[in-house]
Amino acid sequence: AQSVAQPEDQVNVAEGNPLTVKCTYSVSGNPYLFWYVQYPNRGLQFLLKYITGDNLVKGSYGFEAEFNKSQTSFHLKKPSALVSDSALYFCAVRDPNTDKLIFGTGTRLQVFP
Amino acid sequence: DTAVSQTPKYLVTQMGNDKSIKCEQNLGHDTMYWYKQDSKKFLKIMFSYNNKELIINETVPNRFSPKSPDKAHLNLHINSLELGDSAVYFCASSQWSGGAMEYEQYFGPGTRLTVT
Repeated sequence: AQSVAQPEDQVNVAEGNPLTVKCTYSVSGNPYLFWYVQYPNRGLQFLLKYITGDNLVKGSYGFEAEFNKSQTSFHLKKPSALVSDSALYFCAVRDPNTDKLIFGTGTRLQVFP
Repeated sequence: DTAVSQTPKYLVTQMGNDKSIKCEQNLGHDTMYWYKQDSKKFLKIMFSYNNKELIINETVPNRFSPKSPDKAHLNLHINSLELGDSAVYFCASSQWSGGAMEYEQYFGPGTRLTVT
């Protein structure tokens, strides 16, 4: 079965420091991978995606993610965190059999001033 | 200019009632979705429509019935509401691409349903 795992429930980082939110996946065939962010009481917002091409994908708000096929990972990164980055982050993978998006359980990012 | 809008934003109702949630998108997308997010923030797809045709129908109680009058609208009707139906329901839309979902989905703000 296709799946995506976010091993950390919460990530804490000081403002100005680099951040990483981890995601690993299990999918047959070539993965389509996505990151979304959810601010409090809001819907999910698309950040970035990997379909094919360069392993380093750049997205909105200065975020980027690195696709690593050998480690089946798609970690979200940002060189310098902002307090306003504090939110819930979801990794998702497309299920090639059903074309559904399978979401991870989410990682709460807390950036401290 | 709200891309994906949902009404109502909050819905408080009693067990046994029937309620509807409406969704509209003005992005010109041909595919729309309903997701349920539980209290632990776990997000799961319920239904998906492409050009008004049902393409994803997850294992949800048949008390839940989606309706898509046109490509821009996808409504969710829930009969005989139960306590366990309390959750946040999100509508989303995307553009289908020849049978492969490679385009991002755009989400509405959510409808918080509380069943008492």
